[in-house]
Order: sequence, then structure tokens, then C-alpha cells
Amino acid sequence: EDKVVQSPLSLVVHEGDTVTLNCSYEVTNFRSLLWYKQEKKAPTFLFMLTSSGIEKKSGRLSSILDKKELFSILNITATQTGDSAVYLCAVIPDFQGAQKLVFGQGTRLTINP
Amino acid sequence: NAGVTQTPKFQVLKTGQSMTLQCAQDMNHEYMSWYRQDPGMGLRLIHYSVGAGITDQGEVPNGYNVSRSTTEDFPLRLLSAAPSQTSVYFCASSPGQAYPGELFFGEGSRLTVL
Repeated sequence: EDKVVQSPLSLVVHEGDTVTLNCSYEVTNFRSLLWYKQEKKAPTFLFMLTSSGIEKKSGRLSSILDKKELFSILNITATQTGDSAVYLCAVIPDFQGAQKLVFGQGTRLTINP
Repeated sequence: NAGVTQTPKFQVLKTGQSMTLQCAQDMNHEYMSWYRQDPGMGLRLIHYSVGAGITDQGEVPNGYNVSRSTTEDFPLRLLSAAPSQTSVYFCASSPGQAYPGELFFGEGSRLTVL
């Protein structure tokens, strides 16, 4: 059974701190790993990672994939209260099912001023 | 830009009732899908479609039907609602194989089954 596990499940930090969110996976085949941010309602796409060792960056957010150890991390530097959200990790477990994402439970990040 | 539109946003049903959650997208996306989100379980795929006239089952399809008669619309039907179907439902669309997994989500429909 394909599985995605995120840790921690919940994290509370102060504004300005740097945080690291973890995502590990077990899938029969692997195509891509994706990160989403979910504030109040709809998840929004952040990154897609396909190759090991190549960091994706967008402003203060960055992510990297390790296909040998089967995990990814999402880093957020100089956190702001607007970064408070649930961060979702998902994996596409095969090349035929581009729509068949397997999601982790999510990490609820709270940034206190 | 409307993007992905879901209706209704909230619904309360009694056990055994049927209903349809509507989903429409105006981005001409090939792929559409339905997920449910439950506390502590992340998002789970119910059904998906890779184009008009083509649908397939996801991880948790039992108790749900879908159809895709047009590119724009992908309704989800609950045949006989059960309390276990209490959840938040998200419809999503994607441009296709060139952007695997880059989903655009609707704002969700919160369903309570009593």
C-alpha cells in the first residue's frame, strides 16, 4: 500500500524562526512529490520535485527531494504570520496515474507574532 | 477568474438520502478529480477523470458515482448517504500529463450526514 507520512503533525513557532517540515514516502513506483499549502479552504500548489538533490525555491520557501532515502523536506526561513497553514505533501506513485495523488496527513504550522 | 467552482458549500443530509455535489472548471483542463478530507487522514482520492467520457476509481470510491459528459463539469453523486461520508469534499482540475499533480482545487463542500 502506498503511504506518505508527514512530521511533525503540528508545529508552533515565533515569527522570524526557520522551520523544516518532513515528508517520507513508501510507494511501489515513484513519479513526483508535491507540496501544497492549505490556509482556510483550498490547497494551493507550491512545488513539484522529480529528481534527487535539486532544490526548488520560491522566495522564503525551498524544498528538496532524496529519492534514495525516500523523503523530502520543506524549509521556510524568516517565517511570517501569513505562513500559518496546513502544509500537505503528496506523491504520484506511478507513471500511468498522473491524477492519482497519495497525500500525507499534513503538518499544521502556526506562526505566533 | 472563476477557476474551479463547487456547489453547495455546506449540506446536511439524513442517512439514506442522495445528493449531487457539483464541480465546474473554466480553464479547459483535461483532468478532474474528487478528494475527501477527514481529520488526521489527509486528502483521499474518490474518483477521477482524464477527459470527457472517461472516469476511473480512486482510493475510496464506494458509495460515490461520477460522470464526465463535458470537459467543464464533473459531478459527484452520493447514492445513499451514510454518516461515514461526513467529510469535506474537494474537486480539483489539472491541465494534463504535462503538469502531473499540479492540481487546482475548489474551495470545498462540507457535508454532514446525520
